[in-house]
Amino acid sequence: AQSVSQHNHHVILSEAASLELGCNYSYGGTVNLFWYVQYPGQHLQLLLKYFSGDPLVKGIKGFEAEFIKSKFSFNLRKPSVQWSDTAEYFCAVNGNNRLAFGKGNQVVVIP
Amino acid sequence: DAGVIQSPRHEVTEMGQEVTLRCKPISGHNSLFWYRQTMMRGLELLIYFNNNVPIDDSGMPEDRFSAKMPNASFSTLKIQPSEPRDSAVYFCASSERTGHSNQPQHFGDGTRLSIL
Repeated sequence: AQSVSQHNHHVILSEAASLELGCNYSYGGTVNLFWYVQYPGQHLQLLLKYFSGDPLVKGIKGFEAEFIKSKFSFNLRKPSVQWSDTAEYFCAVNGNNRLAFGKGNQVVVIP
Repeated sequence: DAGVIQSPRHEVTEMGQEVTLRCKPISGHNSLFWYRQTMMRGLELLIYFNNNVPIDDSGMPEDRFSAKMPNASFSTLKIQPSEPRDSAVYFCASSERTGHSNQPQHFGDGTRLSIL
């Protein structure tokens, strides 16, 4: 079964700072990769996804993620965060038709 | 287009009581998933259905938990008897195209369950 690791569970940064959240997974087969975002009090929403092709994926709200197969990583980035990016971010990996989530990164952006 | 609809949004009950959580997936979606979210364990998959059939229930914590999907538009997750450690947010999600792991899941707003 696949597993997902997310580091730096709590991240606090100021507006306009750059954000990078790490995601590493363990699964030997073909995977599909996702980042979800959960704003305070809301449900999870899809931020971006990778299936194949260009390993640099662009999502909504200025987010992007890069799939590095050799490192089993799918890190999320945003060059300049806003206060409205305060949320919890989950990396998810789907291998063998089973979606596994990381424990999430709680991101707080200070105005 | 209505998303995944869960009810109730909040449930507070005493331990030992039966709890039933409900989910209506997005119309046309073939797969339905139940998750539990806690601070300690994060998001855990409890069970998922393809075309109303339970495929993987290995995440169901114990026999007190059961889930059904009597038709394509409705599913329930039942806890009987409930215990304080069952307190969590329970999410339902659905996706289209059975068996295709590249389909994203769409989540409901969750049910926040508190067992006293």
